[in-house]
Amino acid sequence: EPEVTQTPSHQVTQMGQEVILRCVPISNHLYFYWYRQILGQKVEFLVSFYNNEISEKSEIFDDQFSVERPDGSNFTLKIRSTKLEDSAMYFCASRQTAISGNTIYFGEGSWLTVV
Amino acid sequence: GESVGLHLPTLSVQEGDNSIINCAYSNSASDYFIWYKQESGKGPQFIIDIRSNMDKRQGQRVTVLLNKTVKHLSLQIAATQPGDSAVYFCAEASGTASKLTFGTGTRLQVTL
Repeated sequence: EPEVTQTPSHQVTQMGQEVILRCVPISNHLYFYWYRQILGQKVEFLVSFYNNEISEKSEIFDDQFSVERPDGSNFTLKIRSTKLEDSAMYFCASRQTAISGNTIYFGEGSWLTVV
Repeated sequence: GESVGLHLPTLSVQEGDNSIINCAYSNSASDYFIWYKQESGKGPQFIIDIRSNMDKRQGQRVTVLLNKTVKHLSLQIAATQPGDSAVYFCAEASGTASKLTFGTGTRLQVTL
C-alpha cells in the first residue's frame, strides 16, 4: 500500500539551529500538509501546499517556518531558528484531491527535540 | 470558534466487548469527518470516514455514526481486540478546505 515517508525519524538539535524535515508524499497525490503534535497533545495543523504554493497556514506557521517542494517527490519543512517550544512530532500528510471526502494519509512522523 | 472535542480521555474495555468512542464538534459547516488511530510513536492511521450526507458508515469491525442535529460523532469498534489499544482522534473538515481540525483524543485500553 502506498505510504507517506518521512526522514529523519528523530532529530535532536540545539536551540537556534536550522532544521529541515523531509517527506515523500504518496506519488499521485497533489495536496501536501504539515501537522505537529506536542507530546500528549492533539495534532495541530501547520500548513497546506498545492500547486507549488501555500494554500493555507495556521498561526503557528510563522516566519521561522517555510515549506518547499524542491523536486517532483520531496516536500520539506524548514525551521530557521529552532526554539525549545518547537519540540514536537511533525507529521507530513498528503491527499490526492481536495474534494470533500478524499482521505488524508499521514506519515509516521519526525520527532524533533530542541535542547 | 471552531473546535472538535472528545468526551472521554480514557476508555477501558474488556477484550471481546464493543467499544464506543465519542466526539463532539462545533463547526456546523463541517461536512467531512475522519477517525484516526494513533499508536505510541506513530502517525495517525486512517480508520474510517463519513460525509455529512450520511449518518452511518460501516467498515470492518468499525462503524461511524454521525448526528448532525447535535453535532456528535461516534466510533464503534466491535469485538475489541488488544491490538485496538491506541489513542483515537476524530477530525473534521469543511468543504474543500485543506486542513483537518483534530479533537483531543481518547485513549482506548483493552484489558484481557
